Amino acid sequence: GAGVSQSPSNKVTEKGKDVELRCDPISGHTALYWYRQSLGQGLEFLIYFQGNSAPDKSGLPSDRFSAERTGGSVSTLTIQRTQQEDSAVYLCASSPGRMSNEKLFFGSGTQLSVL
Amino acid sequence: TQLLEQSPQFLSIQEGENLTVYCNSSSVFSSLQWYRQEPGEGPVLLVTVVTGGEVKKLKRLTFQFGDARKDSSLHITAAQPGDTGLYLCAGRSRRAQKLVFGQGTRLTINP
Repeated sequence: GAGVSQSPSNKVTEKGKDVELRCDPISGHTALYWYRQSLGQGLEFLIYFQGNSAPDKSGLPSDRFSAERTGGSVSTLTIQRTQQEDSAVYLCASSPGRMSNEKLFFGSGTQLSVL
Repeated sequence: TQLLEQSPQFLSIQEGENLTVYCNSSSVFSSLQWYRQEPGEGPVLLVTVVTGGEVKKLKRLTFQFGDARKDSSLHITAAQPGDTGLYLCAGRSRRAQKLVFGQGTRLTINP
C-alpha cells in the first residue's frame, strides 16, 4: 500500500477484555516496530521484527502483551485482560530493513481506551 | 538500557524567536534521528545524523550530532507558528537494531 495502515483507528474496551490491534506495513518492508505513546509523551518501544529473525520483545511491559507477524507482512499486537493503564496510542512503523540508519514510516496509530 | 533525555519537555515562545532543543544520553549511538509529530498522526522524519560532529541544515532548522555520538541538538531560527509540534529524537546503537525514542519536546510558537 501507499503507507502504513493501522486498524482500528479507535478502540474502546472494558477492563479485563482482550484486544487485537492490526498493522499493515508498506509492501516490501522487512522491519516492523510497535510503540506505545501516552498522551503527549514520547514513544515507548514495545517490539521489533526484522525479516525472519527472532523478534526483539524487550519492550513488552508484561506477559499480557504479545505480537505476531505473519508471512513477513501484517502484524497483530494482542493485549490480554486489558487494564486502564494500557490506555494509550499504539503506533506501528515499518522500514525497508536493509540499512542501520533507515527512516521509519509510521501509521496514524490506534487510540486504545480501557474503561 | 539506552535512554534518551530531551530538554526542555515543554517550550512556548513567540514567533520570530530562536530556540534549541537538546537530546542527551550516556550511550553511544550509530545514528540519531529527529522526528516531528502533529496531533492524530505518526511521527515524520526530519533528519538522520550518523557522524560525530555532523551538522545538517533543513531550512531554518539546524541539527548537530555530538562528537562522541551521545547527544544531539536541534536549533530553530526565527520560529514560525507552523513549527508547532512534538519533536522527538531517536537513536539506534550498533548492537541493538531497535530505534529508541526520547520523551519528546512539545513546542508551541505563538503568533
